[in-house]
Amino acid sequence: EIVMTQSPATLSVSPGERATLSCRASQTVSSNLAWYQQKPGQAPRLLIYGASTRATGIPARFSGSGSGTEFTLTIRSLQSEDFAVYYCQQYDNWPPWTFGQGTKVEIK
Amino acid sequence: EVQLVQSGVEVKKPGESLKISCKGSGYTFITYWIGWVRQMPGKGLEWMGVIYPGDSDIRYSPSFQGQVTISADKSTSTAYLQWSSLKASDTAMYYCARHGGGGAMDVWGQGTTVTVSS
Repeated sequence: EIVMTQSPATLSVSPGERATLSCRASQTVSSNLAWYQQKPGQAPRLLIYGASTRATGIPARFSGSGSGTEFTLTIRSLQSEDFAVYYCQQYDNWPPWTFGQGTKVEIK
Repeated sequence: EVQLVQSGVEVKKPGESLKISCKGSGYTFITYWIGWVRQMPGKGLEWMGVIYPGDSDIRYSPSFQGQVTISADKSTSTAYLQWSSLKASDTAMYYCARHGGGGAMDVWGQGTTVTVSS
């Protein structure tokens, strides 16, 4: 089973600043990596797939990069609605298609 | 509009059985994998397994194999997740989600809360 490790667990950022979230896979997942956003009381929402492709309707301030085992989600100029928990997920090797443990982005 | 609509809140006792549902609409149900995800209170997302409704191919996470059963009914575009004997540790929110063309989970249901308590 591929283990996905996200860092940091919590990221404190001021509105308007940049947030950089990391995700590491225990073995290569090629570019088969997705990022999701989850707000309290809501279902997760797909942000990025294929490591770097924004899903439909996702603002351009969200960007993903990386391949193999190291991935990054960058949120440029954080808006109030971006404070949430973010999860990465690999869908290269299954079952299971594993999630990371999440990074909470909170207001500084 | 592509959507997945899940069944409502469930409150059960340990040892009881349960089957929750996830109904797809707005797309060709049989041509996309449907996955199930568990989220225990205050915790992260856990991928449980998937089904391809077109041929009922099912894959389980090793962590959930033998603990739950995934199924689907093509005629009603509905996927199911069931337990034969619930435990208190099954208390969680359960989401279904469509695995899009690339494999990522692109459409999510609203979630079903399951509470198991004596």
